[in-house]
Amino acid sequence: DGGITQSPKYLFRKEGQNVTLSCEQNLNHDAMYWYRQDPGQGLRLIYYSQIVNDFQKGDIAEGYSVSREKKESFPLTVTSAQKNPTAFYLCASSTSGFSYNEQFFGPGTRLTVL
Amino acid sequence: AQSVTQLGSHVSVSEGALVLLRCNYSSSVPPYLFWYVQYPNQGLQLLLKYTSAATLVKGINGFEAEFKKSETSFHLTKPSAHMSDAAEYFCAVLLTGGGNKLTFGTGTQLKVEL
Repeated sequence: DGGITQSPKYLFRKEGQNVTLSCEQNLNHDAMYWYRQDPGQGLRLIYYSQIVNDFQKGDIAEGYSVSREKKESFPLTVTSAQKNPTAFYLCASSTSGFSYNEQFFGPGTRLTVL
Repeated sequence: AQSVTQLGSHVSVSEGALVLLRCNYSSSVPPYLFWYVQYPNQGLQLLLKYTSAATLVKGINGFEAEFKKSETSFHLTKPSAHMSDAAEYFCAVLLTGGGNKLTFGTGTQLKVEL
């Protein structure tokens, strides 16, 4: 089955630690995205990548980093510089080239900072 | 800048009643608009999208939305609510000009009562 997987589903982190969230897709999509979801705020774009080895900052990139070494993978690292990292993180992917292509979402990772 | 506003963070309807979830957009160019649904602790699933082909768009699970340029609206409706429709619904507008970036509204939580 084609789709997007995110792991782990739940993640706990101590303050001051970096943590990496995994996102893998087998849809052969060029573009991938990371969103952060907080209650009452909708989804906010952290980073996105339109092609391998290239990525751009979204609206709230501070305290986060990404890499795109493979087409199917787009891991997100939440660094200790992110002051309020507790949130639900969603990864998405889409075909690129045309601007109205649907984004497909993974099941999400809930990160809690202890 | 493009944006969407969802009126009503919580909507409650009786089973079998009409569902109406409101979305207004702001865009300087013809927009691409989307409605997504999110069930608890899951990712987002596309309900329907408007890409300038037809103003009345039909989606999955009996939902539809009508694009009204004069009102800058893209409200989501369903004639008869079902208990399984209880979820959070997000309206989104595509940021044209590159990146295929979506800007989301803050979401509307739909409750369906017996």
